Parts: sequence; C-alpha cells; structure tokens
Amino acid sequence: AQTVTQSQPEMSVQEAETVTLSCTYDTSESDYYLFWYKQPPSRQMILVIRQEAYKQQNATENRFSVNFQKAAKSFSLKISDSQLGDAAMYFCAYRTFGNEKLTFGTGTRLTIIP
Amino acid sequence: ETGVTQTPRHLVMGMTNKKSLKCEQHLGHNAMYWYKQSAKKPLELMFVYNFKEQTENNSVPSRFSPECPNSSHLFLHLHTLQPEDSALYLCASSLIWLASTDTQYFGPGTRLTVL
Repeated sequence: AQTVTQSQPEMSVQEAETVTLSCTYDTSESDYYLFWYKQPPSRQMILVIRQEAYKQQNATENRFSVNFQKAAKSFSLKISDSQLGDAAMYFCAYRTFGNEKLTFGTGTRLTIIP
Repeated sequence: ETGVTQTPRHLVMGMTNKKSLKCEQHLGHNAMYWYKQSAKKPLELMFVYNFKEQTENNSVPSRFSPECPNSSHLFLHLHTLQPEDSALYLCASSLIWLASTDTQYFGPGTRLTVL
C-alpha cells in the first residue's frame, strides 16, 4: 500500500525568507502523480503544485517549486519569498496513474513570522 | 458560483438526529469524493462516485449513506452518529478521462459536531 509521510508537523519562517517542507512516499508503482495542497485557516483545500512522476523536470508555480527525487521517493516543497498569506496547513498527496484515490500525509502547519 | 461548494458549513447534531450534507461542483467534472478530516490524521477517503456510480466505499460505517443523483451533486446522509464522527467533511471533484484522473478540487468543508 502507498503511504505518504510528512515528518515536520510544524514549521515557521520569517516573512520574505525561503522555507522547505519535506515529504516522502512509499510505492512500488512507476507511474504516479504527486501533489502539494494548501489548507488556510478558512479550510478550503487549494492545489499548490503537481508533479508527474515521468517528468524529470521539477514543477514550479511562481514562488512555489518542488524538489522531486524519484529514486529517493522524496517530494519537497520550497516556498520562496514567504508571505503572510502562505500561512496554512500543507498536505503532500500521492495518486497512482489511472486510480482516482489520493493518499495524503498528515500535514505540516506553516507559520509566517512578520 | 464556481468551484466546489458545500452546505452547511457548520452542523451540530445529536446522536439520534438525521441530517444531510450537500456538495455541488460547477467544474463539469464526472467524479466526486467524500473525505473525513480529523485532527492530526491524514485525510480519509470515504466514498468515490464516477459518473454517478459508487466505485469506492472505504469501509465506512452504514450510518453514513452517500447519494449521487447526478455528476454535479453529492450528498452524505447522516443518522445515529457517534461523537467520534465529529470532524471536517470535505467534498472534492475531478475529471476522469480515459484511464486517468485529473487533479481533485476541494470544497470548503462542513464542520460536523456530534453531541
């Protein structure tokens, strides 16, 4: 069975600094997708970034980028120039290609220090 | 209204009550999901519907009864719940095409408290 592990329950970063959230996963599949979702205090889960396992290039979305290490089964999220609005719970998630089931980690609560 | 909406946003009910949660998606998706989010636990997938047909029941107790009348609407009927069922219930939707599934988009959730 696939599992997703987020080893950092809480992280904090100074505003305008860079922070990296870690995520590891376990799977025997070769085709899959990885996601980072953000859940602000208002609770709406928002997709931050998505990575297809077959793509070697790391995905980027503005200030958000990932470091995808397929052999190590690692998928970390880097947030550059942190802003107050980045404060939220961040969830790493995994999905096998062709399967709609998402497996989530336990989340990392990110605090932005003004 | 766009995206995925859920009503009510908050619900308090007694163990003998019957209530329903509603989810509606305005994205043209054909798959819908119910998740349970409890404190310090990963999101738990409860049910999956593809084209109105239930394709996944993740060993959910029968006191939770889903209903999907069409691809845009999803309900979760609740009866004789237990206090441990108190949680945030999230609805999501996605587009299933050929053998693959697109990204899931989530609603804001219903905060359920069972007294």
